[in-house]
Amino acid sequence: GAVVSQHPSWVICKSGTSVKIECRSLDFQATTMFWYRQFPKQSLMLMATSNEGSKATYEQGVEKDKFLINHASLTLSTLTVTSAHPEDSSFYICSVTDRVSYEQYFGPGTRLTVT
Amino acid sequence: GQQVMQIPQYQHVQEGEDFTTYCNSSTTLSNIQWYKQRPGGHPVFLIQLVKSGEVKKQKRLTFQFGEAKKNSSLHITATQTTDVGTYFCAGLHTSGTYKYIFGTGTRLKVLA
Repeated sequence: GAVVSQHPSWVICKSGTSVKIECRSLDFQATTMFWYRQFPKQSLMLMATSNEGSKATYEQGVEKDKFLINHASLTLSTLTVTSAHPEDSSFYICSVTDRVSYEQYFGPGTRLTVT
Repeated sequence: GQQVMQIPQYQHVQEGEDFTTYCNSSTTLSNIQWYKQRPGGHPVFLIQLVKSGEVKKQKRLTFQFGEAKKNSSLHITATQTTDVGTYFCAGLHTSGTYKYIFGTGTRLKVLA
């Protein structure tokens, strides 16, 4: 299966600052990547679908101006949390999907803590 | 909106006992996937079911997709402490949006 990395694995930032999270598909050309958010002891909530070379598609209730997604190449998508607040503290996970088998491969996740 | 519910939310079993988690979708699914997430980790793909009524086995794990393609189950026979984690189903809906909706998850604890 595909190997997906994320950087950083964890980050602590101050309220009001912005944080960029990278998702890399190491051995798989991903035209589409997905960004999820997971709060403690809860399920994964799809935030947006990242499309290479075009605008991301955001799920209902997710602010596109707050969660900026850039998918500039087939192997890299970035999620920037702008003007972060403590309620944005969460586990952010990206995934890529094999368009033939539909299997999903997840990155290791990024734990964001906003103080 | 589209919802995928799982029951139970939590399950504690004695090692050696069986365990089953059920997944129910509000709408018909194209396919369903199952994932396991260990504490502090990320979801790991277990299996995908596509056909109505499909049953697949992986050692002690048995996965089933309902005839109406709106529900699924995961059964673990003779649980082991290594089975600890949260099991999620994720459904691909037939609306053609090509995105998976995750179930609410079942957290399994196995007591030695």
